[in-house]
Amino acid sequence: SSELTQDPAVSVALGQTVRITCQGDSLRSYYASWYQQKPGQAPVLVIYGKNNRPSGIPDRFSGSSSGNTASLTITGAQAEDEADYYCNSRDSSGNHLTVFGGGTKLTVL
Amino acid sequence: QVQLQESGPGLVKPSETLSLTCAVSGYSISSGYYWGWIRQPPGKGLEWIGSIYHSGSTYYNPSLKSRVTISVDTSKNQFSLKLSSVTAADTAVYYCARRTPPYYDILTGYYYDAFDIWGQGTMVTVSS
Repeated sequence: SSELTQDPAVSVALGQTVRITCQGDSLRSYYASWYQQKPGQAPVLVIYGKNNRPSGIPDRFSGSSSGNTASLTITGAQAEDEADYYCNSRDSSGNHLTVFGGGTKLTVL
Repeated sequence: QVQLQESGPGLVKPSETLSLTCAVSGYSISSGYYWGWIRQPPGKGLEWIGSIYHSGSTYYNPSLKSRVTISVDTSKNQFSLKLSSVTAADTAVYYCARRTPPYYDILTGYYYDAFDIWGQGTMVTVSS
């Protein structure tokens, strides 16, 4: 079982704002990273650290963290944002071990 | 531009050893970073298999540790995965990825890292 918990599915109306969450004990001291995966494609890093976007990632993607919960927010969701989103962080034992959340399927209506 | 490319057999028989290689271009493995393997069974989520530092230190998912070996060949600028005694449950897309070292945010006291570069993935089916 995953030590990072995500909602299996979330939906958002086109142009609206959606937040995808990830819960886990390690998130109290370790920021999550977030990955977008479209069907048949490799995951792509969209957020890392406190709120950092790799080059090429639109600024409608942002990250935040509070207590044991990390959040990925998409402000003004676009049709091309429909994808699976995974969080990743250290597991609670640390020691360079890492774990992924179960993933959230985002549907843009 | 850093690129990673997985290669290896697409079909492995049950009880045999799965072997994959990840060739790295655009960056020298010996310069740093961690290098990892992640897999994704059909229709399921991502599972971290393990990572290796350029020095050779390895870190494995406890659930797979007894069957996994990750090694690095700096002369060929590649790293490899071996998974022994495979079963149908090991059927998956296998990705290699580069992982940043852990950074420390002095303002918040938090650490962070990320898998910043991924290979395209290779499908491995375990079947007789």
